[in-house]
Amino acid sequence: SQQGEEDPQALSIQEGENATMNCSYKTSINNLQWYRQNSGRGLVHLILIRSNEREKHSGRLRVTLDTSKKSSSLLITASRAADTASYFCATDGSGGSYIPTFGRGTSLIVHP
Amino acid sequence: DGGITQSPKYLFRKEGQNVTLSCEQNLNHDAMYWYRQDPGQGLRLIYYSQIVNDFQKGDIAEGYSVSREKKESFPLTVTSAQKNPTAFYLCASSILPQGNTEAFFGQGTRLTVV
Repeated sequence: SQQGEEDPQALSIQEGENATMNCSYKTSINNLQWYRQNSGRGLVHLILIRSNEREKHSGRLRVTLDTSKKSSSLLITASRAADTASYFCATDGSGGSYIPTFGRGTSLIVHP
Repeated sequence: DGGITQSPKYLFRKEGQNVTLSCEQNLNHDAMYWYRQDPGQGLRLIYYSQIVNDFQKGDIAEGYSVSREKKESFPLTVTSAQKNPTAFYLCASSILPQGNTEAFFGQGTRLTVV
């Protein structure tokens, strides 16, 4: 099964800075989604970007998708300590699987 | 409130025991999924179901079993054949497998072998 891989594995920044996380995947997709996980909790959906979209915004989040490079990035602007969490990308294959497949995630720590 | 509920939150298993993790959703979702998460790792798919009375193996199904007798419920049994069951288990659901919509997750069950 295909899997997204996030980069970096860990990111430590100061409050107010921007945080950028990247995701690469292996095969063609219908859409790519980003999720957030607070420690010991379930995942919460942040944003979905379809394969025919290049950029999407939601509040302080900006997601880009480059299907030619099979990569996506998540930018969190003006980060806050409350943004501390793990962030995962999930893909579902256009080959018919439609099963959300997750990477290993990026652990983000935002220092107050 | 609509949502997806996992229980229990913590579960302890003795060697050789089978244990069942509960997952219930009242979102009227067709598709349900079980994932396993190990420390510092991503989510690995155990089983999924797209319709009642049907389910498919994921990447790491060995040592696990599921049933889907009702649309709302998708319990996972961790059998004694699963040699390393200590992990965080997450259940999720979505409207349709091809719905291009988000997956909703429960809060997880942390299973520990004692």
